[in-house]
Amino acid sequence: EAGVTQFPSHSVIEKGQTVTLRCDPISGHDNLYWYRRVMGKEIKFLLHFVKESKQDESGMPNNRFLAERTGGTYSTLKVQPAELEDSGVYFCASRRQGSYEQYFGPGTRLTVT
Amino acid sequence: GEDVEQSLFLSVREGDSSVINCTYTDSSSTYLYWYKQEPGAGLQLLTYIFSNMDMKQDQRLTVLLNKKDKHLSLRIADTQTGDSAIYFCAESGSNFGNEKLTFGTGTRLTIIP
Repeated sequence: EAGVTQFPSHSVIEKGQTVTLRCDPISGHDNLYWYRRVMGKEIKFLLHFVKESKQDESGMPNNRFLAERTGGTYSTLKVQPAELEDSGVYFCASRRQGSYEQYFGPGTRLTVT
Repeated sequence: GEDVEQSLFLSVREGDSSVINCTYTDSSSTYLYWYKQEPGAGLQLLTYIFSNMDMKQDQRLTVLLNKKDKHLSLRIADTQTGDSAIYFCAESGSNFGNEKLTFGTGTRLTIIP
């Protein structure tokens, strides 16, 4: 089966611009997570979807970040407006209901200049 | 809150065993994970252990868990050059539905020929 895919792999934008990251989970995985790693620090949880519903968004840093998962399939994470401190690698992961295994995508490297 | 700590670097001679250590603070951790990140790639789930287990072995990988000391280790037998990567320890809580992962900073494993 295909793994978790993310698009784009790399994005370079200027401060104040908008960027939308996309994640396609493994088919049939109801649980979808977003994480990010900024400047060599720990990988931090952002939020968790179960199907199209937000189960936990306690890790979202501020209201410049908006995550959606319409239809319960792929998810998008929009950053608007982007700030310098948003630079980092954004990972998406998915998990089948009943399993404890989270499978990660390759990540999107976001650079805000 | 939860905290997971790892040493940043480890160098091992090819053919020797590698032991990567991790400590965590959340006594309610249910599952503990090891992920591997190769250069330019995403996070690959290597193995995980349930908190009521002491040891899990999978081919060259051995996971040891000391729940009393909240210490987790990953031993890689007969380390090869392909094992060069960053290894992340992660834990998840026990609350049903709270499966977000808390990661350590990652240990960069370097193989010396």
